[in-house]
Amino acid sequence: ETGVTQTPRHLVMGMTNKKSLKCEQHLGHNAMYWYKQSAKKPLELMFVYNFKEQTENNSVPSRFSPECPNSSHLFLHLHTLQPEDSALYLCASSQEVWTAGNTIYFGEGSWLTVV
Amino acid sequence: AQTVTQSQPEMSVQEAETVTLSCTYDTSESDYYLFWYKQPPSRQMILVIRQEAYKQQNATENRFSVNFQKAAKSFSLKISDSQLGDAAMYFCAYRSAYVMNRDDKIIFGKGTRLHILP
Repeated sequence: ETGVTQTPRHLVMGMTNKKSLKCEQHLGHNAMYWYKQSAKKPLELMFVYNFKEQTENNSVPSRFSPECPNSSHLFLHLHTLQPEDSALYLCASSQEVWTAGNTIYFGEGSWLTVV
Repeated sequence: AQTVTQSQPEMSVQEAETVTLSCTYDTSESDYYLFWYKQPPSRQMILVIRQEAYKQQNATENRFSVNFQKAAKSFSLKISDSQLGDAAMYFCAYRSAYVMNRDDKIIFGKGTRLHILP
């Protein structure tokens, strides 16, 4: 069983909908991440949170809005998405962002389809 | 900026045989960490093996081992006695070892899809 849990596993939404992806980690980590995985592209880092503070926004469009209420939970709020936003969204966590060499642990991903 | 290159988009290997996945990287740093992650059809990313650049000894984990050539900036993954459960996408990844680096992030290659033939 993974220490990083993502819900929902599959989501289909229209371009005018508002939905959220949820991530929870049970590893006692302080850093959490959102990654986007599209077909035939490397994993793209979207957001980084360290001790609930956003430390990185990797030029992500504002239609993606992250929220980190505590070190164990991370949300990705979605609104007015485009079909090209359809992808697998992976949540991950690590002990701390800036401690060298920490391994990142991934959730199973949320597969998003925008219609 | 660091880059990670996996030049083999797909590979196939017969069950019980050995296969090697290639990875090269580019960096100006002397100290860093390298990883191989596995992503099976379930989509969960699973850490397979990790290598510290300051260690000359190649990391091994059961049937998985790496050939780390620091001068050549090469980090290949060898899977021995391949099993059907090894079928997955494999990602090579790089992470700086420098503490308090605000650009600290893990950089992934595009992946190699491995097929296991029964």
